[in-house]
Amino acid sequence: AQSVTQPDIHITVSEGASLELRCNYSYGATPYLFWYVQSPGQGLQLLLKYFSGDTLVQGIKGFEAEFKRSQSSFNLRKPSVHWSDAAEYFCAVGPFSSGSARQLTFGSGTQLTVLP
Amino acid sequence: EPEVTQTPSHQVTQMGQEVILRCVPISNHLYFYWYRQILGQKVEFLVSFYNNEISEKSEIFDDQFSVERPDGSNFTLKIRSTKLEDSAMYFCASSLSTWDNEQFFGPGTRLTVL
Repeated sequence: AQSVTQPDIHITVSEGASLELRCNYSYGATPYLFWYVQSPGQGLQLLLKYFSGDTLVQGIKGFEAEFKRSQSSFNLRKPSVHWSDAAEYFCAVGPFSSGSARQLTFGSGTQLTVLP
Repeated sequence: EPEVTQTPSHQVTQMGQEVILRCVPISNHLYFYWYRQILGQKVEFLVSFYNNEISEKSEIFDDQFSVERPDGSNFTLKIRSTKLEDSAMYFCASSLSTWDNEQFFGPGTRLTVL
């Protein structure tokens, strides 16, 4: 069964500082990997995704993530955090599939606080 | 930009009552999903739906739950007899295909069971 671990429940950074949110996954084949962000009272917004190819993927809002197969990781990074980035971040894994809808498995989330 | 919408944003009900949560997926999407998030816990998959039938469902999705696409635009989740532990945020999602499996999520319905 697939699983996702986000080891950091809560991270606090100062505005302008760099950010790295960790994500480790367990899946028997090549996974689809996603990062979603959830602001208070909002739904889940996709930041970026990885399916294949270049292991460094760029997303919206200046985020990027790197897929490392050897470490089963897909860490999210941002070089300079803005106050508006304060939110909860979810890593998710989904199996490759075609022809039928397939579930995403989410990590437990990392709450990001940004200090002025 | 097209988006998934959900109504109501907050539903309060008494234990044992039936509730229907409504979703309007993105219009050209073919695959539909329900997830839930109990306060402080992970987002959990409930069910996926394609071609007017359930594709996958989790252990959570027992006989008390059902889904329906009653017309060309709505996708509903019904809980027949709500329990206290059904209190959660329920997210609807849709995707155009499973080729890239990108699911677009609605803002959620917060269900409170008293």
